[in-house]
Amino acid sequence: EAGVTQFPSHSVIEKGQTVTLRCDPISGHDNLYWYRRVMGKEIKFLLHFVKESKQDESGMPNNRFLAERTGGTYSTLKVQPAELEDSGVYFCASSRVWYEKLFFGSGTQLSVL
Amino acid sequence: SQQGEEDPQALSIQEGENATMNCSYKTSINNLQWYRQNSGRGLVHLILIRSNEREKHSGRLRVTLDTSKKSSSLLITASRAADTASYFCATDRNTGNQFYFGTGTSLTVIP
Repeated sequence: EAGVTQFPSHSVIEKGQTVTLRCDPISGHDNLYWYRRVMGKEIKFLLHFVKESKQDESGMPNNRFLAERTGGTYSTLKVQPAELEDSGVYFCASSRVWYEKLFFGSGTQLSVL
Repeated sequence: SQQGEEDPQALSIQEGENATMNCSYKTSINNLQWYRQNSGRGLVHLILIRSNEREKHSGRLRVTLDTSKKSSSLLITASRAADTASYFCATDRNTGNQFYFGTGTSLTVIP
């Protein structure tokens, strides 16, 4: 079974630019989550999709962040325009049902200069 | 933090020793999970314990849960160098349907 894949693995952009992160969950997993970890801090919940619907986006920092999951398969997370404080590792995770274990991707390391 | 906090932040032990990490959380939960993250990799699920369970084992791992104290502990017995990683607890809230993570415990096992 293929795992959760994320790309790019690293992205270095300048402040004000746009970046789009992609996550391909495990096939058949209706639940998809985005998390972010800023250096040394907690892994912070951003949002949760059930199929193509946003179940909870309470963790999204502000309206510069836009997540989509068209067709209930892969998901994208766009940051526009990027700010310095957006730097961190963005993790995607998926699960078959929400109360079961999460399967994580390797993350995207985003550096905003 | 959103929910869980691990303690200690960092732990260094000799190979063969036991390692204990603790997790405290703030609100009532249905489930608590422990994950491991090796450097540069994604998190890997280790064990899930439900709120009506007090202890669970998986290989060299032992997890306890004390809902009255809102705390959990992860014990790794007979540690190996390969256990070097960051360990996170994740808790749900009994009103929500996602898991919240803490800051993690960085474990170093010295060969």
